[in-house]
Amino acid sequence: NAGVTQTPKFQVLKTGQSMTLQCAQDMNHEYMSWYRQDPGMGLRLIHYSVGAGITDQGEVPNGYNVSRSTTEDFPLRLLSAAPSQTSVYFCASSYRVGGGYTFGSGTRLTVV
Amino acid sequence: GQQLNQSPQSMFIQEGEDVSMNCTSSSIFNTWLWYKQDPGEGPVLLIALYKAGELTSNGRLTAQFGITRKDSFLNISASIPSDVGIYFCAGQRNTGNQFYFGTGTSLTVIP
Repeated sequence: NAGVTQTPKFQVLKTGQSMTLQCAQDMNHEYMSWYRQDPGMGLRLIHYSVGAGITDQGEVPNGYNVSRSTTEDFPLRLLSAAPSQTSVYFCASSYRVGGGYTFGSGTRLTVV
Repeated sequence: GQQLNQSPQSMFIQEGEDVSMNCTSSSIFNTWLWYKQDPGEGPVLLIALYKAGELTSNGRLTAQFGITRKDSFLNISASIPSDVGIYFCAGQRNTGNQFYFGTGTSLTVIP
């Protein structure tokens, strides 16, 4: 099993550009989520999904969109990148609510 | 948002020493998780706690779910160089699916 796969690993964007961070899991987990990690801030939840077709906002959803058309995939879209979105982004999945997450290896995004 | 306070923020210890760190919250949680993150990688789950007072071990690691349900503790015995990394706690309240993460404890083990 590959677990949780995130692509790309690194990305540099110009302010105003859009892009999609990809996340796929092969563990048949229902619960998936996106976090951003900033120095001294820990991990903060952006969006999450409890199953295909269902998404909800986390702590810091502004500037990000998500969709969940399949159980396996949970892409994160930045519609108009801003320097404040420079961060490391982690996708995570779990077999159930309250279960321990499996994290991907992260996408390091820099917005200039 | 919910703030989980982890302490200490960083630790520098000699190989072989025991380590203790904790995580506190102003809210009650029904689940506590402890993760370790190596540089350039995502966090990896170490221990999950689901019941107040619960004490769970994973090798040299032991974690406890505080009686008040507002805190959790992680101990590492006889530290080794590969214990180096950042340790995060995460808590989930009774309502909702969101886990809140602490700001992390950075551990350095000096051989």
